[in-house]
Amino acid sequence: QKEVEQNSGPLSVPEGAIASLNCTYSDRGSQSFFWYRQYSGKSPELIMFIYSNGDKEDGRFTAQLNKASQYVSLLIRDSQPSDSATYLCAVNLGAAGNKLTFGGGTRVLVKP
Amino acid sequence: GAVVSQHPSWVICKSGTSVKIECRSLDFQATTMFWYRQFPKQSLMLMATSNEGSKATYEQGVEKDKFLINHASLTLSTLTVTSAHPEDSSFYICSAQRGGPNEKLFFGSGTQLSVL
Repeated sequence: QKEVEQNSGPLSVPEGAIASLNCTYSDRGSQSFFWYRQYSGKSPELIMFIYSNGDKEDGRFTAQLNKASQYVSLLIRDSQPSDSATYLCAVNLGAAGNKLTFGGGTRVLVKP
Repeated sequence: GAVVSQHPSWVICKSGTSVKIECRSLDFQATTMFWYRQFPKQSLMLMATSNEGSKATYEQGVEKDKFLINHASLTLSTLTVTSAHPEDSSFYICSAQRGGPNEKLFFGSGTQLSVL
């Protein structure tokens, strides 16, 4: 079992709709959770981070964390073509420092 | 936000040569930097954790004699790919940690290495 799992997609979303991305992790001791967006050939850029159970909203993005279910999700509201990218879920497994483990990424395609 | 500079952005080299990649934190001091490798259509795989003033910690399966890491100052870490081979061709990305555990990581722009 992979430590951080994501559906590889592609997730096809009409422009203006909500894109919902899911991520599960295996280590119950995980401390912090991050969503990164990566365009092809570029390095990841941080979109959201969440530490506590519940929802966290930032603009069109909402991260949801459920530690009991070992599940973190990202919602993108009012999806735009520029949101088309690969979204990486990253988890700090809490073992030492800030060593992140990344999921395989979900490719999102927003169609005009 | 914090800026992490990575250089060069891309490099093409002959098999058997060595390539050095630099990662600098421009506006903060980074006691810890991380080096990742990403093959096409795959996720980031952590190669090593670079600690200022001490030896790097390598992940399982990463050859420390092939991927030399030096973290000489609080703002600079370097990764040297020694005796590069075509299978080393990949996208290498550094990241720097500002602050303590659970703080955000900031990524460099990445280096695309192509070994002929």
